[in-house]
Amino acid sequence: EAQVTQNPRYLITVTGKKLTVTCSQNMNHEYMSWYRQDPGLGLRQIYYSMNVEVTDKGDVPEGYKVSRKEKRNFPLILESPSPNQTSLYFCATRTGDSYEQYFGPGTRLTVT
Amino acid sequence: GEDVEQSLFLSVREGDSSVINCTYTDSSSTYLYWYKQEPGAGLQLLTYIFSNMDMKQDQRLTVLLNKKDKHLSLRIADTQTGDSAIYFCAESYGNTGKLIFGQGTTLQVKP
Repeated sequence: EAQVTQNPRYLITVTGKKLTVTCSQNMNHEYMSWYRQDPGLGLRQIYYSMNVEVTDKGDVPEGYKVSRKEKRNFPLILESPSPNQTSLYFCATRTGDSYEQYFGPGTRLTVT
Repeated sequence: GEDVEQSLFLSVREGDSSVINCTYTDSSSTYLYWYKQEPGAGLQLLTYIFSNMDMKQDQRLTVLLNKKDKHLSLRIADTQTGDSAIYFCAESYGNTGKLIFGQGTTLQVKP
């Protein structure tokens, strides 16, 4: 079954404590990206990756890092989380020439 | 820059048709999408339309695209309570695969 998984699904943490949200896909898709969803703002792209070892900034990259060491995984790293990073995060994937993006189930992060 | 706008809320009675509207700014978009998000869930692709099409119908869903006015709409026929959700309009941007999303329209279906 085609899947995009994210872990954890829910996380409450404190300001400054480094955390990683994992994203994994089993579809051999080249393209992966991270979005955050905030009320009234829709989804905004944080980072994306066109393939292994190829990453680039999206619209709201400040405070985030990513890595793409293998095709199936695209972790999102918050080195020093702050309360304004409290949000719902989605990972998405697609093949290089496809119109359709598959979204993960989301990770709800609260930073206090 | 690129921008997608939607109204925030729509309320309809069960059995009526719902029309959710969206405007976008990037005339070079290849695809335009409608996603559905149910409470506590991820995003489900409902339908999409290629930019050289005017209309696409898929069962109860009809998508209309007016490229001149950069206006996209989603019509849901015979709306059911299970259609209650947030609906996002999105456009593809550039060749990076980035999607530009609207703010989302909350559809409330009253029995």
